[in-house]
Amino acid sequence: AQSVTQPDIHITVSEGASLELRCNYSYGATPYLFWYVQSPGQGLQLLLKYFSGDTLVQGIKGFEAEFKRSQSSFNLRKPSVHWSDAAEYFCAVGTTGGGNKLTFGTGTQLKVEL
Amino acid sequence: KAGVTQTPRYLIKTRGQQVTLSCSPISGHRSVSWYQQTPGQGLQFLFEYFSETQRNKGNFPGRFSGRQFSNSRSEMNVSTLELGDSALYLCASSSVGTRDEQFFGPGTRLTVL
Repeated sequence: AQSVTQPDIHITVSEGASLELRCNYSYGATPYLFWYVQSPGQGLQLLLKYFSGDTLVQGIKGFEAEFKRSQSSFNLRKPSVHWSDAAEYFCAVGTTGGGNKLTFGTGTQLKVEL
Repeated sequence: KAGVTQTPRYLIKTRGQQVTLSCSPISGHRSVSWYQQTPGQGLQFLFEYFSETQRNKGNFPGRFSGRQFSNSRSEMNVSTLELGDSALYLCASSSVGTRDEQFFGPGTRLTVL
């Protein structure tokens, strides 16, 4: 069965500092990987996704993620964090066998200090 | 293009009652998925409907059911509510398959007393 681990429950960074959120997955085949962001009282918004090809994926709002098969990781990065980035971030793995079924990690709550 | 809409946004029920939540996908989207979000269990997949057929199912008891109509609108039903069913229920729609982005609605906050 597929699973996702986000080891950091809370992360605090200063505005302007760089950010890396960790994500490790378990899946038998090449996974479909996603990062979503959720602001309070909101649904989820897709930041970026990886299906195949280039292992460095660019997303919206200046985010990027790198797929590393050898480490089963898909870490999210941003070079300079803005106060508006404070939110909860979820990594997810999707099935490749057809249909839409996402397995989410437990999320990382990001706090940005001004 | 209008986004995914979910109604109602907030709901309070008592144990033993049943509840129906509604989701209207983005126009043209044929896949609708439902997720339950709780502080303890996080985001968990309930089921997915595509062209009125259930295509995937998560590990939830039979009290949780859903359906999809010919216009792709979907409803989920929870019977015999338990306190543990209190959660944010999120609906997501996408065009067809796994490679298509899923767009999430704002959710329905269900409180069971």
